[in-house]
Amino acid sequence: NAGVTQTPKFRVLKTGQSMTLLCAQDMNHEYMYWYRQDPGMGLRLIHYSVGEGTTAKGEVPDGYNVSRLKKQNFLLGLESAAPSQTSVYFCASRLVYGELFFGEGSRLTVL
Amino acid sequence: GQQVMQIPQYQHVQEGEDFTTYCNSSTTLSNIQWYKQRPGGHPVFLIQLVKSGEVKKQKRLTFQFGEAKKNSSLHITATQTTDVGTYFCAGGSGNTGKLIFGQGTTLQVKP
Repeated sequence: NAGVTQTPKFRVLKTGQSMTLLCAQDMNHEYMYWYRQDPGMGLRLIHYSVGEGTTAKGEVPDGYNVSRLKKQNFLLGLESAAPSQTSVYFCASRLVYGELFFGEGSRLTVL
Repeated sequence: GQQVMQIPQYQHVQEGEDFTTYCNSSTTLSNIQWYKQRPGGHPVFLIQLVKSGEVKKQKRLTFQFGEAKKNSSLHITATQTTDVGTYFCAGGSGNTGKLIFGQGTTLQVKP
């Protein structure tokens, strides 16, 4: 089992460009999450999903959109990237009330 | 909205000394989880606490959940160099599936 897989692992964008981060899990988990990690800020929740076809806003949702069309996939989109979105993005999944399993992270730089 | 505060942000100790990190929530939590992240890695689950006043131990690590379910602590006895990393608490509320992380405490251990 691969667990939680994030693609791409690294990406450099120019301001205004768009991109999608893909998260895939093979553990049949109901819940999936996108967090961003910045120095001194911990892990901040962007969006999350409690099941296929559902999404909800987290702490810092502005500038991001998500979709969960299939249970195993959770996509994070940036429509118009800004330098403030330079960060490390972590996807995680879990069973209901279970522990989070994290991907390896995706490092995004916006110039 | 729900906020989870964690202190201290950094802690430097001599090997063999004890270490404690504290987590406080602005709202009553249904459960709290603790994670450890090594430099360059992703967060890894340590434990989950659910009951008011709960105390759990893992070898040299002791985890507590406050009576009011609004605060928690992680205590490490006789630190070792392998304890180096950032420790995060994450609070869950109700049945929403939302999981909010504290800012983390980065532990450095001098041999």
